[in-house]
Amino acid sequence: EPEVTQTPSHQVTQMGQEVILRCVPISNHLYFYWYRQILGQKVEFLVSFYNNEISEKSEIFDDQFSVERPDGSNFTLKIRSTKLEDSAMYFCASQMTGTEAFFGQGTRLTVV
Amino acid sequence: AQSVTQLGSHVSVSEGALVLLRCNYSSSVPPYLFWYVQYPNQGLQLLLKYTTGATLVKGINGFEAEFKKSETSFHLTKPSAHMSDAAEYFCAVSDRSNYQLIWGAGTKLIIKP
Repeated sequence: EPEVTQTPSHQVTQMGQEVILRCVPISNHLYFYWYRQILGQKVEFLVSFYNNEISEKSEIFDDQFSVERPDGSNFTLKIRSTKLEDSAMYFCASQMTGTEAFFGQGTRLTVV
Repeated sequence: AQSVTQLGSHVSVSEGALVLLRCNYSSSVPPYLFWYVQYPNQGLQLLLKYTTGATLVKGINGFEAEFKKSETSFHLTKPSAHMSDAAEYFCAVSDRSNYQLIWGAGTKLIIKP
């Protein structure tokens, strides 16, 4: 069964460092998303990506964040200069039009 | 803006008892509605969804949910709880034109032996 794959499963980084979280969405899907879940809190939308550009982004998704789909298969989330409050579980999701989103297992980012 | 309210951050039921997890949304136009489950240290798995058609939808693991437009609700039920149902459950909605998911805060389901 096709699935969304995220790597790494856990990343520890120093405050101020750049991190790139990687996702391989399901191959025939058209919409791609990043969500995050701070420990003990609700899941929050970060950004959606369609037709090779950002279609929606939340107020969380500031200039420190960027997304890319460099090669038609990977979908990456970059945080330029990490802060302690960026520590969270980051989920990638993909979907076809009008269907449910399929989620990856998440990357737990810990900023120290 | 759309919002999703899940009543009760924790719900505790005995094994074999009825499970009822509540979800209400705010939207004048019926959105797409979803329930996701998250087991400890795992990702988000779709339990069931409502997009159109029959308002009672059945999902995996014996769960079902009923869309009630008049009550703007999409409560999740299971007739008989099992220990393996212990997890966190999230209700989510998406606009029919913009598929971004808006999430409820989640309800942690605790099953007592």
